Amino acid sequence: GQQLNQSPQSMFIQEGEDVSMNCTSSSIFNTWLWYKQDPGEGPVLLIALYKAGELTSNGRLTAQFGITRKDSFLNISASIPSDVGIYFCAGLMNYGGSQGNLIFGKGTKLSVKP
Amino acid sequence: KAGVTQTPRYLIKTRGQQVTLSCSPISGHRSVSWYQQTPGQGLQFLFEYFSETQRNKGNFPGRFSGRQFSNSRSEMNVSTLELGDSALYLCASRGGRRNTGELFFGEGSRLTVL
Repeated sequence: GQQLNQSPQSMFIQEGEDVSMNCTSSSIFNTWLWYKQDPGEGPVLLIALYKAGELTSNGRLTAQFGITRKDSFLNISASIPSDVGIYFCAGLMNYGGSQGNLIFGKGTKLSVKP
Repeated sequence: KAGVTQTPRYLIKTRGQQVTLSCSPISGHRSVSWYQQTPGQGLQFLFEYFSETQRNKGNFPGRFSGRQFSNSRSEMNVSTLELGDSALYLCASRGGRRNTGELFFGEGSRLTVL
């Protein structure tokens, strides 16, 4: 079935550093999304991308929809302690009237050293 | 606006029992999706309901079932529980008829099967 390969699996960074994570797939998606999950809570949508090549920012977060439609990356600039959590990429393919369903990556666990 | 509400938050069952989990979506949202989250497999799609009809189904055995009521509230049921069913079960709702991938998640129901 469809799989998203998300990397890295985990990372420790110093406060103030920039962070990059990415997601790749052998399948094409027409929507890429990034979610963040804090401990004890459900995932929360950070950024949604709907067009190949699209670059979108949300505060210190920037995400891009790869030209091939098979990948996406998320950058966090100047990380702060509240950035700690698990970041998930998700892909959606809903061509031809099908509603599709979100396929999630396994997540990148971010830990920040204060 | 109240968020997605899931009950119960925690529950413990033994093998062979059955369980019913409940989800109240955001007011006005007619789509409810269910996901199973485990450390090994990540977020796996179970099914989606829209206006009381199952629109999409993931690759889970028939022991997993769901339904949606006319007020958009949804329940999922797992019968003949197995140890491997221990997981966080997340419910998500969205507005609109077309699936854009933009989901609002509840905090989840954590099921432990002994």
